[in-house]
Amino acid sequence: KQEVTQIPAALSVPEGENLVLNCSFTDSAIYNLQWFRQDPGKGLTSLLLIQSSQREQTSGRLNASLDKSSGRSTLYIAASQPGDSATYLCAVSQISSGSARQLTFGSGTQLTVLP
Amino acid sequence: DAGVTQSPTHLIKTRGQQVTLRCSPKSGHDTVSWYQQALGQGPQFIFQYYEEEERQRGNFPDRFSGHQFPNYSSELNVNALLLGDSALYLCASSLVGAGNTIYFGEGSWLTVV
Repeated sequence: KQEVTQIPAALSVPEGENLVLNCSFTDSAIYNLQWFRQDPGKGLTSLLLIQSSQREQTSGRLNASLDKSSGRSTLYIAASQPGDSATYLCAVSQISSGSARQLTFGSGTQLTVLP
Repeated sequence: DAGVTQSPTHLIKTRGQQVTLRCSPKSGHDTVSWYQQALGQGPQFIFQYYEEEERQRGNFPDRFSGHQFPNYSSELNVNALLLGDSALYLCASSLVGAGNTIYFGEGSWLTVV
């Protein structure tokens, strides 16, 4: 059974810092890994999708890497801003789920960027 | 282009009652999945519908059932509500296949009292 762990559970940083959020998964047989952002009381917004054959993806100040063999992914946020404050979730799509592409989520990292 | 839309946004039900939540997928998407997110936790997969059939189911009891309509919209039904069913219910849509981004709606907040 796939298990996804995110460390740290919470993180508070001053504005302007570069930061790294970590995600690990136990079963490397994945189709892809996706990072989401969730604002309080809201749904999930997709940030980056990394296919299993890829090593990284970039979007603006965000960069996500994937090391499938070691079961790890990192989300790098450059020059953090107060507007980045949210919960960040990673999720993997299992090969064993076939075309259904069931996502297994971590519990998230709650990020607070202080002005 | 409308994204994933869900209704209602909030509702309160009494223990033992039944509830129906609704979801319209993103335009062009044919697959709908439902997730339950308890406070402080990541979402948990309930089930997925494609071509009006349940394709895969997570570890949820039969009290949770669903339906997909010919226009790809979907309903989640929960019978005999328990206090522990209180959660944010998220609908996600995608195109069938392994490489496509999954899009989530804003969710329906269910409180069982």
